Amino acid sequence: DAGVTQSPTHLIKTRGQQVTLRCSPKSGHDTVSWYQQALGQGPQFIFQYYEEEERQRGNFPDRFSGHQFPNYSSELNVNALLLGDSALYLCASTPRGGSTEAFFGQGTRLTVV
Amino acid sequence: GIQVEQSPPDLILQEGANSTLRCNFSDSVNNLQWFHQNPWGQLINLFYIPSGTKQNGRLSATTVATERYSLLYISSSQTTDSGVYFCAVGQGFQKLVFGTGTRLLVSP
Repeated sequence: DAGVTQSPTHLIKTRGQQVTLRCSPKSGHDTVSWYQQALGQGPQFIFQYYEEEERQRGNFPDRFSGHQFPNYSSELNVNALLLGDSALYLCASTPRGGSTEAFFGQGTRLTVV
Repeated sequence: GIQVEQSPPDLILQEGANSTLRCNFSDSVNNLQWFHQNPWGQLINLFYIPSGTKQNGRLSATTVATERYSLLYISSSQTTDSGVYFCAVGQGFQKLVFGTGTRLLVSP
């Protein structure tokens, strides 16, 4: 049983560019959440997708957007990249019904230069 | 929103020592998880423990929901236990709120 998978693992982008990060949830999971972790800090919630809709959003600007597909996989898009967007981006999935336990992918390390 | 505090922020141990990490939270929760973040950034699930006590090998955890705190115990620490330990809490199916972490260094 594959866990949560994210791609790519590392990415270098130039300020002003756009980036798309991808996440496949764990089998049997239908809810995907995205987190941003800056160096030396705990992960911060960006948004959560359920039934292909954004269910919750954290305190992030509209430059951060997402999508969930019918197979429950998800994308995180960031437009007009800033140097401060450099961080580890983590995807988490939670199962249908019952438990609220979240499982995380290995993350995508984004560097904006 | 809910606040999560972890202590101590840093911990240095000799191999074989025991330690206790604490997580305090400011509101009732129905999700509490402990994670170990490895050097590559992956968050490894240690415990899903909104209440009660669980043990897994040298690690155990206790959450006292009515008093809004959780403890993670590491016994006979090994160098591979080094890393950052995060406590995260949630309400309903909402977001997880993370503490600032405890950075553990176990020296041989």
